Amino acid sequence: ETGVTQTPRHLVMGMTNKKSLKCEQHLGHNAMYWYKQSAKKPLELMFVYSLEERVENNSVPSRFSPECPNSSHLFLHLHTLQPEDSALYLCASSQDNVREPYEQYFGPGTRLTVT
Amino acid sequence: EDQVTQSPEALRLQEGESSSLNCSYTVSGLRGLFWYRQDPGKGPEFLFTLYSAGEEKEKERLKATLTKKESFLHITAPKPEDSATYLCAVQLLTTSGTYKYIFGTGTRLKVLA
Repeated sequence: ETGVTQTPRHLVMGMTNKKSLKCEQHLGHNAMYWYKQSAKKPLELMFVYSLEERVENNSVPSRFSPECPNSSHLFLHLHTLQPEDSALYLCASSQDNVREPYEQYFGPGTRLTVT
Repeated sequence: EDQVTQSPEALRLQEGESSSLNCSYTVSGLRGLFWYRQDPGKGPEFLFTLYSAGEEKEKERLKATLTKKESFLHITAPKPEDSATYLCAVQLLTTSGTYKYIFGTGTRLKVLA
């Protein structure tokens, strides 16, 4: 595997379900990110992790819960979601987040549909 | 409020018809400006980073430029495979000492053969 991978690629869940999105980066980066991409809206930054520590939480509802067990893996745990949470969820990584403006590398995304 | 605006929202070009995409920004403490390409069903793919006004970067038919208020992505003699959504993002330093990124809504480019 190379780059940034995400699983599953597609997910349909009911409002009462609990599911998790997984992201893995194979680039040796120290920072990882979760974004939400909705139609005709800019990418919304949800969470930022630097060296496994959460450094940014952009007022995301508590029904989204991130977890970063190590610098290569990032999870987004989902529970009691709303239909408006349906979107493409993108994971990204960058070499660093505190010293230089490094570019981000994105995974292919998980297309989430909440019914 | 920090803001990034891209125009046009959509652009249709004939193959070989050069044009430019615009990214204007109103932010404080710009550290870098990024251009990405996004194909349908895929994540954004990094193209360029620009750090200061006057800087230019080139890659094949693409050339990115930066001023103090905006950036342009010039596409010279485009081909159908250049069809994609082009995203602009700015990087800012937060009060917590980390960097955050603000994205524009993108320009959907369609190049017709």
